[in-house]
Parts: sequence; structure tokens; C-alpha cells
Amino acid sequence: GQNIDQPTEMTATEGAIVQINCTYQTSGFNGLFWYQQHAGEAPTFLSYNVLDGLEEKGRFSSFLSRSKGYSYLLLKELQMKDSASYLCAVGSGGSYIPTFGRGTSLIVHP
Amino acid sequence: DSGVTQTPKHLITATGQRVTLRCSPRSGDLSVYWYQQSLDQGLQFLIQYYNGEERAKGNILERFSAQQFPDLHSELNLSSLELGDSALYFCASSGGGVGEQFFGPGTRLTVL
Repeated sequence: GQNIDQPTEMTATEGAIVQINCTYQTSGFNGLFWYQQHAGEAPTFLSYNVLDGLEEKGRFSSFLSRSKGYSYLLLKELQMKDSASYLCAVGSGGSYIPTFGRGTSLIVHP
Repeated sequence: DSGVTQTPKHLITATGQRVTLRCSPRSGDLSVYWYQQSLDQGLQFLIQYYNGEERAKGNILERFSAQQFPDLHSELNLSSLELGDSALYFCASSGGGVGEQFFGPGTRLTVL
């Protein structure tokens, strides 16, 4: 099975930087995804990491360390609209079906 | 807009009833995935179809079934509904390999 752990809730200030961590335990790792989900809406894809290192995409960056079973999502220049749940998901084995963590609810305040 | 459509948007029904949720994937996507999301369980994978064939099964109850039709749209059938089946049901599609999934807007099911 898989075990994915991420904080339940985080708060941050508009304009600041926040890092959302995700740790996982799995066999046959084949990639880590980050999705954003606003309340009552569909998850939307943010990033996919399969190799170690940092991938930057605009204000959002995602980092992966396979040896440590660790990833983080970095959000810069926070905006109020970034208030959402951020889901870490891990693909493993021969399956391309990611297993989702419970998500981190990020609250951005003025 | 992800390009994935789901109907209906909301569904209210009673315990013991049966409902059908419908999903049309993005144009060109052969894979369809169904997920259930409740407050206490997070996003749970139910089942995947690829080009009409069942490809993978997750935590899907025996009371639930799905199929994918030749035009690639998919239906999720939920029967003998219980209060605990109340949740958001998402459909997602992809090209089939590893990579991002595109989620539909979801169907909110309320069982009374």
C-alpha cells in the first residue's frame, strides 16, 4: 500500500511564500503529482515530478527527493485566489493511477 | 474548462435507490477514471476504463458498477444507495499513460 502525509491546514499572508510538504512511502514509485482544488470544484493539475530536483512553473514550483520520499510545492507571491486545497498524489508500481493524499487546505489572508 | 463534462451536477435521492452518473472525456482521451470524494475520506479512486475495457479497480463497492461505451463516454451506476454514499463523484480523463488527469466538474450526490 501507500502512505501519503501532508499537513491538514496552513495559513499565509498575501504576497508571501509558502511551502507545502508531502512525504510518502510506496514501492515502485513512478511519479508525484500536485493538484489544486478550490472548494466544491474539480482538482486541476499543477505539476508532475518523476526525477529528483526542482521544477518551476511561474509562481509555483515543485521539488522531489525520491530517496527521502519527500516532495514540496512552493507558492510564491501568494494571492487570495490561491486559497484552496493542495493535493499530493503518488503513482506507483505498474499503475498510472495516482493515490491522493488528504490534501492541505491553504488559507491566504490579507 | 478541462473539456471533461459530467451530468448531472447535483443529484438528490433516497436510500435504497439507484442512480447513474454520466461522463464525457476530453476529445481524444481514451482513459476515464472515476473518483469519490467525501469530507472524511479525501479523493478515492474507484475504477478506470481504457478504450471500452476495464483497466484498473480501486476501492469500488460491489453495489457500484461502471462502463465505457464505444463513443468513450462512461457511466457510473450506484445502487442500493446508503447515506454514506453521499459525496462528490468526479470523472477524469487522460491519454492513457502516466501524466496529468483532467477532471470534470463533478456530480454532488446527496442520499437522504
